[in-house]
Amino acid sequence: KQEVTQIPAALSVPEGENLVLNCSFTDSAIYNLQWFRQDPGKGLTSLLLIQSSQREQTSGRLNASLDKSSGRSTLYIAASQPGDSATYLCAVRALTGANSKLTFGKGITLSVRP
Amino acid sequence: DGGITQSPKYLFRKEGQNVTLSCEQNLNHDAMYWYRQDPGQGLRLIYYSQIVNDFQKGDIAEGYSVSREKKESFPLTVTSAQKNPTAFYLCASTNGGSSYNEQFFGPGTRLTVL
Repeated sequence: KQEVTQIPAALSVPEGENLVLNCSFTDSAIYNLQWFRQDPGKGLTSLLLIQSSQREQTSGRLNASLDKSSGRSTLYIAASQPGDSATYLCAVRALTGANSKLTFGKGITLSVRP
Repeated sequence: DGGITQSPKYLFRKEGQNVTLSCEQNLNHDAMYWYRQDPGQGLRLIYYSQIVNDFQKGDIAEGYSVSREKKESFPLTVTSAQKNPTAFYLCASTNGGSSYNEQFFGPGTRLTVL
């Protein structure tokens, strides 16, 4: 059974710092991996999707990498801002297909201090 | 604008009542999903549907029921058999027919049992 772990559960950094959020998964046979952002009381917003054949994806100040062999992904946030404060979740999709289910980590709650 | 809508945003239920949560999408996505989110537990899959008139149980289906009569709609009924229904419920969809099968989420429904 796939398990996704995100450690630490919470992180507080000063504004302007570059930071890395980690995600690990136990079964490397994945279809893709997706990073989400969730603000309190809201739904999830997709940040980046990495297909199993890709190594990284970039969007603005965000860069996500994927190392299937080691079961790890990182989300790099450059020059963090208070508006980046939110919970960040990673999820992996089972290899059974494009419509198969995602397995989520519990998320990392990020606080960026002004 | 394309997206996923969930209604109502807040729902209060008395013990012993069944309630139905609405989820509609105009993204023309084949697959739809229902998740439950509890503090400290992350997202857990309740049911998912990969195609109209077909759906599968997720990890915590007991006490819930769904239907998928139309591609756009995937309502979730929380029955009186669900012992602890107070939670944040999230609906999602994916376009499996695309090579870029990103999962999108609705804004969520918060259900409280009185």
